[in-house]
Amino acid sequence: AQSVTQPDIHITVSEGASLELRCNYSYGATPYLFWYVQSPGQGLQLLLKYFSGDTLVQGIKGFEAEFKRSQSSFNLRKPSVHWSDAAEYFCAVGTNRDDKIIFGKGTRLHILP
Amino acid sequence: SAVISQKPSRDICQRGTSLTIQCQVDSQVTMMFWYRQQPGQSLTLIATANQGSEATYESGFVIDKFPISRPNLTFSTLTVSNMSPEDSSIYLCSLEAGNEQFFGPGTRLTVL
Repeated sequence: AQSVTQPDIHITVSEGASLELRCNYSYGATPYLFWYVQSPGQGLQLLLKYFSGDTLVQGIKGFEAEFKRSQSSFNLRKPSVHWSDAAEYFCAVGTNRDDKIIFGKGTRLHILP
Repeated sequence: SAVISQKPSRDICQRGTSLTIQCQVDSQVTMMFWYRQQPGQSLTLIATANQGSEATYESGFVIDKFPISRPNLTFSTLTVSNMSPEDSSIYLCSLEAGNEQFFGPGTRLTVL
């Protein structure tokens, strides 16, 4: 069965600084990988996804993520964060065997002014 | 894309009672999923609901506690039975379409 680990529960960065949120997955074959964002009191929004092809994936709101098979990772990056990026970020993994996806425990991003 | 609606959007219930959450989608889908998000936690998959067959439950979840119906390809219900305060969560239905997972707005349940 697939699983995903987000090692950082909280991350704090200053506005304008760069950001990297870590995600490691466990699955025997090529996974489907997702990053979602959840703002306080809001629903889930898909930032980006990886199924195959180019390992560097561009998403919405200036986010990108890179799939590294050798490291079983799919880290999320943004070159310059904005105060509105403060939210909970979830990495998720799915497979081509079924359509369900499994979520990591999430990383809460705090932005310092 | 897919549009998913859930009813109720929120409810406050007494312990020992049951609540049925409805999920309606705007397109026909084979599989629908029910997730739970406990306060301050991530999403946990409860079960996969296929139309015309019994739901498949994840480890730690049982049909007696979370019975699911899937009468057609656009609708599903999740019942939270014999509720306790530990069941206070947001319950979300979800579906996969075009290699993307779509989520409903969630039902916020508080059990007193």
